[in-house]
Amino acid sequence: NAGVMQNPRHLVRRRGQEARLRCSPMKGHSHVYWYRQLPEEGLKFMVYLQKENIIDESGMPKERFSAEFPKEGPSILRIQQVVRGDSAAYFCASSPIDRGRSGYTFGSGTRLTVV
Amino acid sequence: RKEVEQDPGPFNVPEGATVAFNCTYSNSASQSFFWYRQDCRKEPKLLMSVYSSGNEDGRFTAQLNRASQYISLLIRDSKLSDSATYLCVVNPPNTNAGKSTFGDGTTLTVKP
Repeated sequence: NAGVMQNPRHLVRRRGQEARLRCSPMKGHSHVYWYRQLPEEGLKFMVYLQKENIIDESGMPKERFSAEFPKEGPSILRIQQVVRGDSAAYFCASSPIDRGRSGYTFGSGTRLTVV
Repeated sequence: RKEVEQDPGPFNVPEGATVAFNCTYSNSASQSFFWYRQDCRKEPKLLMSVYSSGNEDGRFTAQLNRASQYISLLIRDSKLSDSATYLCVVNPPNTNAGKSTFGDGTTLTVKP
């Protein structure tokens, strides 16, 4: 039973390019969460999705950032026209429908570097 | 006020020491709580859940004080391998859904 799979592990983009980060949740998990960790800072919530639905995007920057979790395939976090300040580690986590007392399972993250 | 606050440390302790971290949370309706561990900017990993009655897992003890809205993590007989950042996590009142809120972490360094 594979864990949460994120790819790519490392991504380098020039300013102005687009970055696409992928996350495949654990088998049986229908909830996906994206968190961002800037250098020397803590984890900050970005967006919470279920299949074909965005449930909570209160942590997403208003511009350039979008996320989806289609019926088929991985969840995608898309950053358009990247800037240096987008350089960070982006972690995806998944959980089952009824999380109850369970914590998250995180993927290994995607380290985005904008040059 | 932040939803979840932790003392960032760093805590530098010798091997064998006992060290405790506290974490306060602002939403009194929060239902479930966790401690995660993060090594060198890798992905956070669940260390333990925190139950109202307190719970112990080997050298680690977690406690919840609802009246004062804080949770604690106690590490006894510290090992070099305990060096990491410890993240306090609070779930919203409806624990079936919704984002978990992470503290910024407390850094522990255990020295020989």
